[in-house]
Amino acid sequence: EVQVVESGGGLVQPGGSLRLSCAASGFTFSRFWMTWVRQAPGKGLEWVANIKEDGSEKYYVDSVKGRFTISRDNTKNSLYLQMHSLRAEDTAAYYCARAYSGAYFDYWGQGALVTVSS
Amino acid sequence: QPVLTQAPSASASLGASVKLTCTLSSGHSSYAIAWHQQQPEKGPRYLMKLYNDGSHNKGDGIPDRFSGSSSGAERYLTISSLQSEDEADYYCQTWATGVWVFGGGTKLTVL
Repeated sequence: EVQVVESGGGLVQPGGSLRLSCAASGFTFSRFWMTWVRQAPGKGLEWVANIKEDGSEKYYVDSVKGRFTISRDNTKNSLYLQMHSLRAEDTAAYYCARAYSGAYFDYWGQGALVTVSS
Repeated sequence: QPVLTQAPSASASLGASVKLTCTLSSGHSSYAIAWHQQQPEKGPRYLMKLYNDGSHNKGDGIPDRFSGSSSGAERYLTISSLQSEDEADYYCQTWATGVWVFGGGTKLTVL
């Protein structure tokens, strides 16, 4: 059974940092693109970042470029999102998902809540 | 980059059918999309990939009640024999080189 499970969410002050993790199982992790998607309270889904199978390509939404870094460890079947200079508008549930052929998201996690507030 | 437009809300009665629409922006009418369902307080769930010719590949365990079709720049999700658990937000999603895009979502109410 394919599973992706996020962890690492929490409350952080504006300007602070946080690292999210995503543990994958049930599929050959190193053969798939992976993605982070977020959802602000009461809002729709917003794509945040994608990473290629071997980590050689990374893409970000403009609002997080220079502040967030997506990475992966294929030996640990894990995906990460390092977030710096956090702002109130980064408050959201962050979802990890598998990106089939680097295109559409076919398996999703349950989300990790990030709250940026003083 | 492509833009996806969805109506913010829709409603239909229990046992009836409903057709949700996702419209691709000008110049992107040939793009495939994916449909995702998000039930209240849950993470999204992949429903299907839908091509511009109307063919679609459904996700694991998605009931036959869910089907997709296409016409020009419009991509449709039809849910038949509506059940209470179908009350959810439905998002379409597409992709281009270096960018992935969601529609604003349609909140479906089952009456």
